[in-house]
Amino acid sequence: DTAVSQTPKYLVTQMGNDKSIKCEQNLGHDTMYWYKQDSKKFLKIMFSYNNKELIINETVPNRFSPKSPDKAHLNLHINSLELGDSAVYFCASSQDAGEQFFGPGTRLTVL
Amino acid sequence: GENVEQHPSTLSVQEGDSAVIKCTYSDSASNYFPWYKQELGKRPQLIIDIRSNVGEKKDQRIAVTLNKTAKHFSLHITETQPEDSAVYFCAASNPNFGNEKLTFGTGTRLTIIP
Repeated sequence: DTAVSQTPKYLVTQMGNDKSIKCEQNLGHDTMYWYKQDSKKFLKIMFSYNNKELIINETVPNRFSPKSPDKAHLNLHINSLELGDSAVYFCASSQDAGEQFFGPGTRLTVL
Repeated sequence: GENVEQHPSTLSVQEGDSAVIKCTYSDSASNYFPWYKQELGKRPQLIIDIRSNVGEKKDQRIAVTLNKTAKHFSLHITETQPEDSAVYFCAASNPNFGNEKLTFGTGTRLTIIP
């Protein structure tokens, strides 16, 4: 009965590699988000999709590319990983600008 | 864009005492103010929220107050318990983005001393 799920939970990779994180929600929500939480615990929005359409795109390097194949899924692909990309990435979803439900997070470590 | 400041960054209180966390926001158009609790290694979870048409909201030991004129809002936790230990985030959102874009404060690490 998991509401918002993410895979993988942990991701350790070398600089320069390309990696993807997947997110799925079974709440029937129309809107999904990607957040980045850095080592100081700052939580910052990266992207938001509403019904597969990009509605929020913060100043994120274009090495980050979200993709929403349908409204229940929002994936994040990162090219040419850098040390500064190390963080916990949270997916979230909401309906009608209500409560945002977060996934369990993906801890990305770039070596 | 919106800017949310949160204070204090760390807070330690004796079990049973009250804790207060304060936030200020910059955009007077913001009208939705949720509070999230994040336990160690876990996901943020909503604990209470308030919209700009009310000044106060309470849910058991937790209350939030909003002063629109001063553009600040506060979280109050009474009769604190060890399980209240966590990082708390305030946030604000703006109807221009359909209330979907949350700008978070920098977080308050609350420690309850048994």
